[in-house]
Amino acid sequence: SQKIEQNSEALNIQEGKTATLTCNYTNYSPAYLQWYRQDPGRGPVFLLLIRENEKEKRKERLKVTFDTTLKQSLFHITASQPADSATYLCALDGDYKLSFGAGTTVTVRA
Amino acid sequence: GAGVSQSPRYKVAKRGQDVALRCDPISGHVSLFWYQQALGQGPEFLTYFQNEAQLDKSGLPSDRFFAERPEGSVSTLKIQRTQQEDSAVYLCASSLVPGQGADNEQFFGPGTRLTVL
Repeated sequence: SQKIEQNSEALNIQEGKTATLTCNYTNYSPAYLQWYRQDPGRGPVFLLLIRENEKEKRKERLKVTFDTTLKQSLFHITASQPADSATYLCALDGDYKLSFGAGTTVTVRA
Repeated sequence: GAGVSQSPRYKVAKRGQDVALRCDPISGHVSLFWYQQALGQGPEFLTYFQNEAQLDKSGLPSDRFFAERPEGSVSTLKIQRTQQEDSAVYLCASSLVPGQGADNEQFFGPGTRLTVL
């Protein structure tokens, strides 16, 4: 069956450190993969899109990698700040629609 | 505002009641999506509209769920005879271009939290 798995545990890190989140998938062959941020009581907000032929993409302090052989994407938040505290969702093509993982909650301590 | 809006933000219904949830997408956005998000989970696809046409309703969990977008802008998700398992946050998203794939950025509304007692 198709699965999208993100870090099962919440991530607690010290301000200034790098947070690394994983998104593993099985039985999908996505052409694209997206990362969203979701704050409590709000809808997800789009952060980054990476294509299957792109190994890495950066946006400000964010970096995403996409390894179609390992069937994995890594999401890095460098120089983390308390304002980065949120739940981060990966999403990819599944049966011609966007399928989301359950998300990883990140808390950045000052 | 320029974003996606949803109303009501919170809805409490007694089991068996019908509810209607409204979504106002970003003006000019062709694609509109409804998702259901259970606590601690990611959004699950319900249905997709391209303009006024409902092109995919494969995610609707039962025939008690019905969605429409008659003029290609505002959309309504209706749930008949609500059950406790319908309790969730219902998210609406819109996108500028046609298509359901992950190559389009989707703009989400804040969601409607439905609680069925």
